[in-house]
Amino acid sequence: AQTVTQSQPEMSVQEAETVTLSCTYDTSESDYYLFWYKQPPSRQMILVIRQEAYKQQNATENRFSVNFQKAAKSFSLKISDSQLGDAAMYFCAWGTSGTYKYIFGTGTRLKVLA
Amino acid sequence: GAVVSQHPSWVICKSGTSVKIECRSLDFQATTMFWYRQFPKQSLMLMATSNEGSKATYEQGVEKDKFLINHASLTLSTLTVTSAHPEDSSFYICSARVAGGFRTGELFFGEGSRLTVL
Repeated sequence: AQTVTQSQPEMSVQEAETVTLSCTYDTSESDYYLFWYKQPPSRQMILVIRQEAYKQQNATENRFSVNFQKAAKSFSLKISDSQLGDAAMYFCAWGTSGTYKYIFGTGTRLKVLA
Repeated sequence: GAVVSQHPSWVICKSGTSVKIECRSLDFQATTMFWYRQFPKQSLMLMATSNEGSKATYEQGVEKDKFLINHASLTLSTLTVTSAHPEDSSFYICSARVAGGFRTGELFFGEGSRLTVL
């Protein structure tokens, strides 16, 4: 069975600084996707970034980038130039294009300090 | 594009009554939708997979007679919480995958529905 682990329940970062959120996963599948979702107080799930497992290149989306280590089954999210609007709950998720059934981590609450 | 809408966003009901939550894909067709439950400060737990025109597939431990799911069209799935009790109070989120096209593995999420059972 697939599992996703986020070991940091809460993180804090100063505005304009950089923070890295950790995520590890376990799977026997070879073809899968990894996602980082942001859930602000509104509870709307917002896709931050997506990584295909078959791609070696790390995904980037503006201030957000990932460090995907497939052999180590690690998928961390780096947020650069943190902004107050980045404060939210961040969930790491694993999924496949077969079943589309996502497995979510327990989440990391990110606080951005002014 | 790829907008998913849930209604209602918040519902309060009395214990013993049934509540229906709708999940609509507004600008795409969704053959498959997923229903999640999220308790306060916790992660999303998959409840069931809803396939258009067929019976939903429930995850282990989810009471299918309690949580009725209907996916009557390619743009609408409904979750009915039957004979609701206070322990059913939770945040319910749906997501949908785009029918056909390239398999991206990506799901699109609704805004969620908060259910409070008195």
